[in-house]
Amino acid sequence: GAGVSQSPRYKVTKRGQDVALRCDPISGHVSLYWYRQALGQGPEFLTYFNYEAQQDKSGLPNDRFSAERPEGSISTLTIQRTEQRDSAMYRCASSPGTGNTGELFFGEGSRLTVL
Amino acid sequence: GDSVTQMEGPVTLSEEAFLTINCTYTATGYPSLFWYVQYPGEGLQLLLKATKADDKGSNKGFEATYRKETTSFHLEKGSVQVSDSAVYFCALSDLDSSASKIIFGSGTRLSIRP
Repeated sequence: GAGVSQSPRYKVTKRGQDVALRCDPISGHVSLYWYRQALGQGPEFLTYFNYEAQQDKSGLPNDRFSAERPEGSISTLTIQRTEQRDSAMYRCASSPGTGNTGELFFGEGSRLTVL
Repeated sequence: GDSVTQMEGPVTLSEEAFLTINCTYTATGYPSLFWYVQYPGEGLQLLLKATKADDKGSNKGFEATYRKETTSFHLEKGSVQVSDSAVYFCALSDLDSSASKIIFGSGTRLSIRP
């Protein structure tokens, strides 16, 4: 597609369940980022990839959170044993090169609600 | 660590009013600075950027000047329109470091009355 595509757009789950959020970046974009955005706040960095290599995962809150990008294109963010505090908008972004120009192209996000 | 502080919203103005949204930053390196905008129902998109001190970024009538002495990057527009209603995020990125993450402020919601 033309833009960054995220699915599902909305996910409601019960506490303790695992969830997987998918991101399909703009075709050919090398770098892929995951952010989390709480209501009324700015996006908070979680992790990023260049091609299939996870370059920085310093923003992942704890070991329940993981991400992969096995073929250097689509990425999955997985949250295990979800907790209510995980409820947020999860945003994916991509950029064309490994050299960071600062221009990220964001998807519309996946809103996660943990009951 | 690096951080961005921007004025809290919401900011409500009448059409054709002058807009300023304040942004200051804290960084150990020499960051590039950005303004992103999020229109209702859409993802964030880059509005403008400046990569070094005294640079001015501009786009769609918006401007921001990189002021190293005051560590600021205030967003301005001379005459706002209803279509400018959105949430605006100030952000920074230390392009000289190996960490390529972009750090965002908390956002300022702007509403323009016809």
